[in-house]
Amino acid sequence: SQTIHQWPATLVQPVGSPLSLECTVEGTSNPNLYWYRQAAGRGLQLLFYSVGIGQISSEVPQNLSASRPQDRQFILSSKKLLLSDSGFYLCAWTYYGRDGNTIYFGEGSWLTVV
Amino acid sequence: GEDVEQSLFLSVREGDSSVINCTYTDSSSTYLYWYKQEPGAGLQLLTYIFSNMDMKQDQRLTVLLNKKDKHLSLRIADTQTGDSAIYFCAEGSGGSYIPTFGRGTSLIVHP
Repeated sequence: SQTIHQWPATLVQPVGSPLSLECTVEGTSNPNLYWYRQAAGRGLQLLFYSVGIGQISSEVPQNLSASRPQDRQFILSSKKLLLSDSGFYLCAWTYYGRDGNTIYFGEGSWLTVV
Repeated sequence: GEDVEQSLFLSVREGDSSVINCTYTDSSSTYLYWYKQEPGAGLQLLTYIFSNMDMKQDQRLTVLLNKKDKHLSLRIADTQTGDSAIYFCAEGSGGSYIPTFGRGTSLIVHP
């Protein structure tokens, strides 16, 4: 079966510090990978998605970047965090199979920028 | 562009049925999903329905789809306090990599 792992689960970072959130998927190959942000426990904002190694699409201009160095690894980064980067970050993947492009989420990472 | 709308809050008494509604605009939607998010956790897929279906039942969950009106609902029978969570409706089409999510409905279950 397929699983998704995301870490760290929680982090507190000062303004201006770098960020690296990592996500890996197991049990499948060539998944589509996504990073979402959820502010104040509500709606999802798609930040980046990737359909293959080295292929990154950005949905919103921001202080963040994403990379996909391996087929099942997706990394969210920032060189200098802003207070507005605080939020709940969710990694996700899709598997095109009998249930279509159903999207599956990781457990999320809480980021607080202080 | 595509849009998915949900009411923000629903409050029910334990043991009653809950009905969470969702409307969408994309007529090419082929899959419609319901996700549950408990506090501090990721989104968990509850169920999904193909656009050529009218209804799907899975234990206490019943999904109804009115494709003509682009209306989707999730009924939870015998609602329990453990059902308290945010429920997200989402739609996807076979040609798009990106599903569209609603803003979520907070279900509050009172004992």
